[in-house]
Amino acid sequence: EPEVTQTPSHQVTQMGQEVILRCVPISNHLYFYWYRQILGQKVEFLVSFYNNEISEKSEIFDDQFSVERPDGSNFTLKIRSTKLEDSAMYFCAGRTGTSFLGGYTFGSGTRLTVV
Amino acid sequence: AQKVTQAQTEISVVEKEDVTLDCVYETRDTTYYLFWYKQPPSGELVFLIRRNSFDEQNEISGRYSWNFQKSTSSFNFTITASQVVDSAVYFCALSEATGASGGSYIPTFGRGTSLIVHP
Repeated sequence: EPEVTQTPSHQVTQMGQEVILRCVPISNHLYFYWYRQILGQKVEFLVSFYNNEISEKSEIFDDQFSVERPDGSNFTLKIRSTKLEDSAMYFCAGRTGTSFLGGYTFGSGTRLTVV
Repeated sequence: AQKVTQAQTEISVVEKEDVTLDCVYETRDTTYYLFWYKQPPSGELVFLIRRNSFDEQNEISGRYSWNFQKSTSSFNFTITASQVVDSAVYFCALSEATGASGGSYIPTFGRGTSLIVHP
């Protein structure tokens, strides 16, 4: 079964540092998403990405965040200057361009801890 | 805007009991998709089921079953003969297909129901 792979599984960083979270989507996926889940809370949409550009973003996705897919495979989320409140589980997800067969596939997440 | 309500924050049952997790949704779209995901203690999100708005047939997969009722905007999930391994947080999610409410296929998640199955 194809998987969405996220690395690292856990990252600890100091406040103010830049972090890059990486995702390798399934090869036939065309739409990509980042979600975040603060501990014990709901899964929140951050951004969607299609055809090498952002298609939608939420209020959470401010100027500190950026996404790119530089080499056609890895899909990255960068947080420029981390804050304590950025501590969360970050999920990458993807889907094909067709009728949601199989639903969205989520990666296993990266737990970001900002200290 | 689309909205998903999972009113049950936490459910605690004893193994072998049946348990139903409720999900109520709101959307202005006529075409939409509903999902259930399981989040075990290890943290990943595991896809369980997708249902589109035109398919109201209930579905059964082993001990899992789903009851989709458009009339009440509900998509409830039942686990029969629960097991300790079913302990997890379960999320219901909604994705609007046409974007009439600005959904643009982006899943919106409910707050989740934490299911604890005691041996």
